[in-house]
Amino acid sequence: SQQGEEDPQALSIQEGENATMNCSYKTSINNLQWYRQNSGRGLVHLILIRSNEREKHSGRLRVTLDTSKKSSSLLITASRAADTASYFCATDAINFGNEKLTFGTGTRLTIIP
Amino acid sequence: GAGVSQSPRYKVTKRGQDVTLRCDPISSHATLYWYQQALGQGPEFLTYFNYEAQPDKSGLPSDRFSAERPEGSISTLTIQRTEQRDSAMYRCASSLLAGGTTGELFFGEGSRLTVL
Repeated sequence: SQQGEEDPQALSIQEGENATMNCSYKTSINNLQWYRQNSGRGLVHLILIRSNEREKHSGRLRVTLDTSKKSSSLLITASRAADTASYFCATDAINFGNEKLTFGTGTRLTIIP
Repeated sequence: GAGVSQSPRYKVTKRGQDVTLRCDPISSHATLYWYQQALGQGPEFLTYFNYEAQPDKSGLPSDRFSAERPEGSISTLTIQRTEQRDSAMYRCASSLLAGGTTGELFFGEGSRLTVL
């Protein structure tokens, strides 16, 4: 079963625009991570935000976390064609001795040149 | 090794046969995960290891699936009596941290299994 659910399922924007995707999850977490997957390839880690953090930046990426709403957002600014990929959030639920990472359903992002 | 290595990359088998997939994680990484990913879906958790311990195997779909990591390094995922519904990409990932919280996962390229 998936712990997280991304929204929207698919998003198409023009190159240069900003892309925002959201993730909702169900249980209390230690941290939340975002991964990118280019077509059929392995997943690549983008950013990790801990439960006591509210916002984090990495280059053109900005992640927010609202633990009261059990939600996170990933913003990609000034999008490029190379950003075309699927994006997944993953959560590390608090469960002593069993802190496994479970993934959401993903957002398919297409950047139109 | 430099990265997570999985083999074989592609496996085609007939229904009813057993298959074993192998994962060689980044050396010194304590935690190793197995995920199953269907086309267009997110990775579904199967099981994970902290060194050789296996704290959670609740994601394994049936008792036909088993995983081992006997020396806390290389891991295998075995599917017995394969069925067509087992066709999927199987992904392995490793992480430096063990217990308490997860860190960044490093993924291999996956093993694509096709059951005819």
